[in-house]
Amino acid sequence: AQSVTQPDIHITVSEGASLELRCNYSYGATPYLFWYVQSPGQGLQLLLKYFSGDTLVQGIKGFEAEFKRSQSSFNLRKPSVHWSDAAEYFCAVGATDAGNMLTFGGGTRLMVKP
Amino acid sequence: GAVVSQHPSRVICKSGTSVKIECRSLDFQATTMFWYRQFPKKSLMLMATSNEGSKATYEQGVEKDKFLINHASLTLSTLTVTSAHPEDSSFYICSAASGTAYNEQFFGPGTRLTVL
Repeated sequence: AQSVTQPDIHITVSEGASLELRCNYSYGATPYLFWYVQSPGQGLQLLLKYFSGDTLVQGIKGFEAEFKRSQSSFNLRKPSVHWSDAAEYFCAVGATDAGNMLTFGGGTRLMVKP
Repeated sequence: GAVVSQHPSRVICKSGTSVKIECRSLDFQATTMFWYRQFPKKSLMLMATSNEGSKATYEQGVEKDKFLINHASLTLSTLTVTSAHPEDSSFYICSAASGTAYNEQFFGPGTRLTVL
């Protein structure tokens, strides 16, 4: 079965600083990978996804993520964080043999200092 | 992009009553819908998977008689919390997948249930 680990429960960065949120997965084949963002009391918004092809994927709101098979990672990055980026971020993996099911990581709460 | 709605967004009920939450895919047909529960400051926990016209598949530890799921059409799934108790208070999120490819799910905005 697949699993996802987000090692950082909380991260605080200063506005304008760069950001990297870590995501490691466990799955025997090439996974489908997703990053979602959740603001308080809201549902999940898809930031970006990786299915195949170019390992560096661009998403909305200036986010990007890089799939590194050798490290089983799919870290999310943003070069300059805005105060409105403060939210909870979830990495998820979908297995090719699991229909449409997703497995979520535990989430990383991002706080942005002015 | 695909849009999924949930209704109501918030509900407060008395202990012992039943509450129904609707999940609709507005601009696509959802062959599969998922129901998640999220505790404060926690990740999403999959409760069940439902396919249109068939019985839902519940995850281990989820009481199927407590959380009734009906997926009557390709655009509507309902979750009914029966005889709700305070410990059922939570944030419930649904998602829908069209089944075309890539495990992509489209999420609803969530329903905050508070049981007094």
